[in-house]
Amino acid sequence: GESVGLHLPTLSVQEGDNSIINCAYSNSASDYFIWYKQESGKGPQFIIDIRSNMDKRQGQRVTVLLNKTVKHLSLQIAATQPGDSAVYFCAENKGSSYKLIFGSGTRLLVRP
Amino acid sequence: DTAVSQTPKYLVTQMGNDKSIKCEQNLGHDTMYWYKQDSKKFLKIMFSYNNKELIINETVPNRFSPKSPDKAHLNLHINSLELGDSAVYFCASSQDPLPQGETQYFGPGTRLLVL
Repeated sequence: GESVGLHLPTLSVQEGDNSIINCAYSNSASDYFIWYKQESGKGPQFIIDIRSNMDKRQGQRVTVLLNKTVKHLSLQIAATQPGDSAVYFCAENKGSSYKLIFGSGTRLLVRP
Repeated sequence: DTAVSQTPKYLVTQMGNDKSIKCEQNLGHDTMYWYKQDSKKFLKIMFSYNNKELIINETVPNRFSPKSPDKAHLNLHINSLELGDSAVYFCASSQDPLPQGETQYFGPGTRLLVL
């Protein structure tokens, strides 16, 4: 069956350090991937996405890496700030489907 | 100027009651969604409408009935509420449905507690 999972349920980093959040997916037919950030008491917020024809995409302070060989997705946050503290979800879509399948989430805690 | 809004934000009710959650988006999007997030933060799609037509109908009890009176609104009615329905329900919208890959914008959520 399809599944999107995360290796680390909680990640604690020092303010100013870089953060790496990992995600594994099992459906090799998935061709579109998204990272969402969910702050406490709020809805998920789009961060960055990547299609399967790319292996890296950069945004402002964030980079998403896609390794299709091992079905692995990661989100890198540079110079992590207290405002980055949240739960991060990866999500995948298979090209023939309307559905976005979410992973179980990783909580990022930023220590001052 | 809220993009995706939901009402109510909190809903506490007794088992067996019927309740509705409302969602409105002012982004001009054609596609709207309902997601359920359980106590472990797992987020799962329930329904999706595109241009008022149902395009996703996941394995959800038929006590849940979505209704889209127009493209800007998607409501969720729940009959005979059960304890297991307690969760946070998120509405979302996007310009087009996947697999075009349009970004989904989420509302603030409705926290439902069934006693």
